[in-house]
Amino acid sequence: DVKVTQSSRYLVKRTGEKVFLECVQDMDHENMFWYRQDPGLGLRLIYFSYDVKMKEKGDIPEGYSVSREKKERFSLILESASTNQTSMYLCASSPHVAGGSNTQYFGPGTRLTVL
Amino acid sequence: AQSVTQPDIHITVSEGASLELRCNYSYGATPYLFWYVQSPGQGLQLLLKYFSGDTLVQGIKGFEAEFKRSQSSFNLRKPSVHWSDAAEYFCAAGETGAGSYQLTFGKGTKLSVIP
Repeated sequence: DVKVTQSSRYLVKRTGEKVFLECVQDMDHENMFWYRQDPGLGLRLIYFSYDVKMKEKGDIPEGYSVSREKKERFSLILESASTNQTSMYLCASSPHVAGGSNTQYFGPGTRLTVL
Repeated sequence: AQSVTQPDIHITVSEGASLELRCNYSYGATPYLFWYVQSPGQGLQLLLKYFSGDTLVQGIKGFEAEFKRSQSSFNLRKPSVHWSDAAEYFCAAGETGAGSYQLTFGKGTKLSVIP
């Protein structure tokens, strides 16, 4: 089974803190994704990466950055957390195959609260 | 622009009743199609996917979905709902073709089950 793990299930931080959310997958997938999920808004893509050291902006990258130094690990960074970044953060990975978008496998999510 | 629409925000059914969750997509060409389920506080789990071939797709937990090109729809069905099916359901679509990695998600349909 594909396993995607996220470093924390729940996290509470203060405004202005630097926050790191870590995601690790064990299936040698090339693609990794960070989403945030808010009630009524569904999943919104923040950033994705299709290879080590490669990154692409998603729909809502403002206030976030990412790092992918190793194939299995994709980190989401909030440089200076703000209260409007309180949300559920979901990481996903997918294999890179010819033909187009492939099945994404999700981690359990990190519920981040910024006070 | 590409989009996925789930017209029903919340559906309530009685245990044992049949279920149909609607999903419509707007893409230039027929996309890859997915249904995911999310239990409270959890990540998303893949129920089923359609890439090509038979338009009736079987998934896990007794779910099935039917692709109808003429209606741009990919509706999820289950003949008899169990209380454990209460969750949020997301339809997603992805482009076909090399270099496509992303999925577009609908905003979700929350399913409540009355005992």
